[in-house]
Amino acid sequence: SQQGEEDPQALSIQEGENATMNCSYKTSINNLQWYRQNSGRGLVHLILIRSNEREKHSGRLRVTLDTSKKSSSLLITASRAADTASYFCASMNTGFQKLVFGTGTRLLVSP
Amino acid sequence: NAGVTQTPKFRVLKTGQSMTLLCAQDMNHEYMYWYRQDPGMGLRLIHYSVGEGTTAKGEVPDGYNVSRLKKQNFLLGLESAAPSQTSVYFCASTHGARAGGAETQYFGPGTRLLVL
Repeated sequence: SQQGEEDPQALSIQEGENATMNCSYKTSINNLQWYRQNSGRGLVHLILIRSNEREKHSGRLRVTLDTSKKSSSLLITASRAADTASYFCASMNTGFQKLVFGTGTRLLVSP
Repeated sequence: NAGVTQTPKFRVLKTGQSMTLLCAQDMNHEYMYWYRQDPGMGLRLIHYSVGEGTTAKGEVPDGYNVSRLKKQNFLLGLESAAPSQTSVYFCASTHGARAGGAETQYFGPGTRLLVL
């Protein structure tokens, strides 16, 4: 399987805490993207980091990329109950045609 | 601007029946994709298209066919449904490599398919 892997599979935290999820991928990439999926809904794009970048910020999101280890991490700071969702990483291959998704992390943020 | 829409939202089929899932986008995107999502498996690519009239196989194409006769539509067909095809199907689209290569995908709301 080409699928990447994410850990943890599930994460439960309290509001105000930070949430960190990790992603590993298998092939050379052009960029890596993170998506969010609320229960029963389609995926929504959160942030993209290119292969020549090491860190990127967007609001309460911080993404890092280590191409030597083929891994990425997503940090959500000061989590809110509304952040409860599944989060997926997706690596874009160097041909720009396909995304390969990870298996996802289910985040539960309790009030 | 509706984005990406999928029809139907939910369907129950008997083994051996056929059906077509329709994906439509109004963003003039070149690339379109069909994924299936199963518990604990993330999204897996079934087929994709990089332009009108073109299609290509993804990771799990067996048992499915696709057509892209119009740029805005991407159809996914199941000729003889099997219980293993019970899943949630998502369509997505993107501008494609001409937009600079840093592509994000826009997803439809999904179609839940149950094959008995």
